[in-house]
Order: sequence, then structure tokens, then C-alpha cells
Amino acid sequence: GENVEQHPSTLSVQEGDSAVIKCTYSDSASNYFPWYKQELGKRPQLIIDIRSNVGEKKDQRIAVTLNKTAKHFSLHITETQPEDSAVYFCAADYGGSQGNLIFGKGTKLSVKP
Amino acid sequence: GAGVSQSPRYKVAKRGQDVALRCDPISGHVSLFWYQQALGQGPEFLTYFQNEAQLDKSGLPSDRFFAERPEGSVSTLKIQRTQQEDSAVYLCASSFLNEQYFGPGTRLTVT
Repeated sequence: GENVEQHPSTLSVQEGDSAVIKCTYSDSASNYFPWYKQELGKRPQLIIDIRSNVGEKKDQRIAVTLNKTAKHFSLHITETQPEDSAVYFCAADYGGSQGNLIFGKGTKLSVKP
Repeated sequence: GAGVSQSPRYKVAKRGQDVALRCDPISGHVSLFWYQQALGQGPEFLTYFQNEAQLDKSGLPSDRFFAERPEGSVSTLKIQRTQQEDSAVYLCASSFLNEQYFGPGTRLTVT
């Protein structure tokens, strides 16, 4: 079955710096790769996603890249702000049409002012 | 519009009790998912519905876990004879075009 590995588990950056989180997946049939932000005690929030027919997608300070050949995808946050501090999860769909997601273990991002 | 809602938000159960967790999906969303999130971990898939049909229950950890969505809208996750290892946050998500939107979760504590 699908396995998603996420690195690093913790990341600390200064405000204004960039942050990069990387994920790898195992199921070559996966086609959908969302990223979620979860603040303490809150629900996971979808922040950006990418589908397998696209190599890169950007939304303001957030971008995601996908390398299907290497089976890895990354989240890039530029000009980080303290409110970006949260746990970020990558996920991949389970290689079928039903869409249930397999999540990475999360990256705790801390942005120091 | 309204997002996914779940109730109760918190539930404390004594070991051996049965619990029922409710999920109200976004109106019109055909697909509904249940996940279990342990402390410090990512959500783990439990089960999936398309309308009222339960198409995948491969993630349910034991036969004490049961989910239903009889009218294709509201869903209930039931856990019978709760055990301490069932303590977790139970998240529901509804989906449109693969994009899954999560509810706030129910934090279950089994004492």
C-alpha cells in the first residue's frame, strides 16, 4: 500500500526566511497531493494541492512542486511570518479513484519573530 | 457556506462504554471520510462513504468500530466497548473533486 514519508519533523526559521518541507510516496498510481496546516487543537486546513499532471503550483507565498518520476513533492513557504507556525502535513491519495488520503507524520514549523 | 461539523467536540468514556460520534458534512458533498489522529501523528484513514454506500472500511482497527451514513448525509462512527487505545481525535472530512475538508474533530478520552 501507499506510504508517505515526511521530513523534517521539526523546522525552526527566522521570520522572513523560507521554509521547505519534503515528502516522498511509494504508490506510483497516486495522483493527488494535498498539504494541510494544523494549528494546535484545530482542524487540518487544506492550504494547497497539486495533481500529477502539473509540476508546480503557486499561491502567494506558498508553492508546491511535484516530481512524479522520483515520487517526491515539496512545500515551499517564502517570507515566513509568525502566523505560519503550525504543524504541516503532506498527503497522497491511495492510488485509486476513491481518494482516501495517506498522511505523512507532520512537520512542526516554528517561525521566530 | 457552513463547513463540516462534528459532535460532540469532547467525549470522556469509561473503558467498556459505547460511544457514538456524529459528522455533518458540507451540503452536497458525496464523499465522506473518517480518520483517527493520535497525539503528534498525522490522520489515519478509517473508512469511506460515497453517498450511503460504505466503499472502504479497511482502516477500521477492529470489529468494535462501526460507521454508517444511512441517508447519504450525516454519518455516525460508533465504537463499542471502548479501550484506552481508542483515545484519539476522530476527524471527519467531506470531499469535492478530491479536495477533503475536515471537521473540528471529536477528542475521545477513554479512562
